[in-house]
Amino acid sequence: DTEVTQTPKHLVMGMTNKKSLKCEQHMGHRAMYWYKQKAKKPPELMFVYSYEKLSINESVPSRFSPECPNSSLLNLHLHALQPEDSALYLCASSQDRAKTEKLFFGSGTQLSVL
Amino acid sequence: RKEVEQDPGPFNVPEGATVAFNCTYSNSASQSFFWYRQDCRKEPKLLMSVYSSGNEDGRFTAQLNRASQYISLLIRDSKLSDSATYLCVVNTPSNFGNEKLTFGTGTRLTIIP
Repeated sequence: DTEVTQTPKHLVMGMTNKKSLKCEQHMGHRAMYWYKQKAKKPPELMFVYSYEKLSINESVPSRFSPECPNSSLLNLHLHALQPEDSALYLCASSQDRAKTEKLFFGSGTQLSVL
Repeated sequence: RKEVEQDPGPFNVPEGATVAFNCTYSNSASQSFFWYRQDCRKEPKLLMSVYSSGNEDGRFTAQLNRASQYISLLIRDSKLSDSATYLCVVNTPSNFGNEKLTFGTGTRLTIIP
């Protein structure tokens, strides 16, 4: 079982909807990540939070808005998405930014945008 | 050239056979290298780190060749449970000191009974 918990596991939304993906870890990790993965493609980095501050934004469109309320939680707010945004969204954590080798991934949220 | 490139696969290998994957990376400043495994519809999980001197973990052996900028993964005595996608991952320095992990496209392995 993964130690990073993501909810929901599946999400279907329309292009005008607003929804949020949630991620939680209780391993005391200080770095958290959002990745996007399309079918048969590798995970693509979207955002990195380090000590609750955004440290990397990989030029992600503003319709994706990350939030890190505390060191254990990471949210991804979705608004006005496009069908091409349908993908598996993976949250991950690591002890800190300097120790990225041990990335713990959540099981992901499979998102479908209609 | 892509930052991290892998054998495209798929590899269909009989049970008990030995299989090897290669991966090349473009940034000579890369410092850390890993193999992750991803089962169908599951999240990636760290299989092993790759050290300069090469390292072994049971049936799995990883090698690094810095001069040629490639890493390899060897699986001996393959098991049905080894069927998965194997992702080569490289820690790549980027602007402003922010490092990030870059994933290869993955190699799909199917072990045939």
